[in-house]
Amino acid sequence: DAGVIQSPRHEVTEMGQEVTLRCKPISGHNSLFWYRQTMMRGLELLIYFNNNVPIDDSGMPEDRFSAKMPNASFSTLKIQPSEPRDSAVYFCASSPQWPGPEDYGYTFGSGTRLTVV
Amino acid sequence: LAKTTQPISMDSYEGQEVNITCSHNNIATNDYITWYQQFPSQGPRFIIQGYKTKVTNEVASLFIPADRKSSTLSLPRVSLSDTAVYYCLVGEPGNTGKLIFGQGTTLQVKP
Repeated sequence: DAGVIQSPRHEVTEMGQEVTLRCKPISGHNSLFWYRQTMMRGLELLIYFNNNVPIDDSGMPEDRFSAKMPNASFSTLKIQPSEPRDSAVYFCASSPQWPGPEDYGYTFGSGTRLTVV
Repeated sequence: LAKTTQPISMDSYEGQEVNITCSHNNIATNDYITWYQQFPSQGPRFIIQGYKTKVTNEVASLFIPADRKSSTLSLPRVSLSDTAVYYCLVGEPGNTGKLIFGQGTTLQVKP
């Protein structure tokens, strides 16, 4: 298994531009999570999905952020318009909805480092 | 969700055993304790999970006392490559699951 795949690995964009981050979860995992990590705030949960349905988006900082999961193998996190304070590493993670003894824990992707200038 | 408290940082030397303790005073009956490891420029990686007593795998051991209000992650004979941030999380696995990460413990292993 290739694990959780995120793209791009790095993104540099200008303030005001739209940014789209992509995530492919592990096949068979039906829970998907988007996290953001900064030095100041650590790892913050932004939103999570179960079976492609958004369950809790209370961590999404503001309306400029939106996330979708059109099918079980793909999710996007969009920022429009982007601002310098959105600069961070964005992680996607997936897990089985009901983990068994061999499925403990979330599997994280390698992250997308976003820089908004 | 139960709040966790762990040391911000720890130093150790190669070959030593490292014990990182996490406090979770208001852990709920259905909560499990999970530890993750994060290297620079990588996402967190699951290390170990337990409910009570002791759990051991090829990477670490997890000790949980009877009252479950704390837990200790034990890393035997650390090496330089164990330098990372270690997170303790408490929560109910499965359908309710959303993991909230605290500050973690930055472990620095020195030669």
